[in-house]
Amino acid sequence: GENVEQHPSTLSVQEGDSAVIKCTYSDSASNYFPWYKQELGKRPQLIIDIRSNVGEKKDQRIAVTLNKTAKHFSLHITETQPEDSAVYFCAASQYNFNKFYFGSGTKLNVKP
Amino acid sequence: DGGITQSPKYLFRKEGQNVTLSCEQNLNHDAMYWYRQDPGQGLRLIYYSQIVNDFQKGDIAEGYSVSREKKESFPLTVTSAQKNPTAFYLCASSMTGGAGEKLFFGSGTQLSVL
Repeated sequence: GENVEQHPSTLSVQEGDSAVIKCTYSDSASNYFPWYKQELGKRPQLIIDIRSNVGEKKDQRIAVTLNKTAKHFSLHITETQPEDSAVYFCAASQYNFNKFYFGSGTKLNVKP
Repeated sequence: DGGITQSPKYLFRKEGQNVTLSCEQNLNHDAMYWYRQDPGQGLRLIYYSQIVNDFQKGDIAEGYSVSREKKESFPLTVTSAQKNPTAFYLCASSMTGGAGEKLFFGSGTQLSVL
């Protein structure tokens, strides 16, 4: 089955700096890659996603890039703010069903 | 928070006891899921259901059981056969269970063993 690896497990940045979280996947059939943000004590929420026919997608301060050949995708957060502090999960799924394989999560700490 | 509701927030299980976690959604979604979250690990799929009266095992179904008698409800039972049940359990739903749909999560249940 699919294996999703996520790095780093923890990331500390200064407010205003950029943060990058990387994920790799093993199954070339995976074609949908969402990112979820889980704030402390709250439920995970989708923040951005990308499909395999697109190389990059942006939404204000966040962006996701996908390299299908290398089987990796990354989350980029620019101009980080304290409210960006949370655990971020990447995931991969395949076209036949909405079954996700999640990465182990990255705890992002944005220091004011 | 509306949409998808889990209860209780905290649950304690005695050895040999079965416990049931509740998950209810009012989003009119066909698909529902149960995930287990352990510290330092990603979410792992326990069971999922795309339609009433039908459900499928996920990657870690052993020691768990589910039912889907109503569209809006997908309870998870942690049986005594699950030897390491302490974890955070998240229920989720999506519109049809088709590819690339957004998952809507509940607020979770923390299960601990006494």
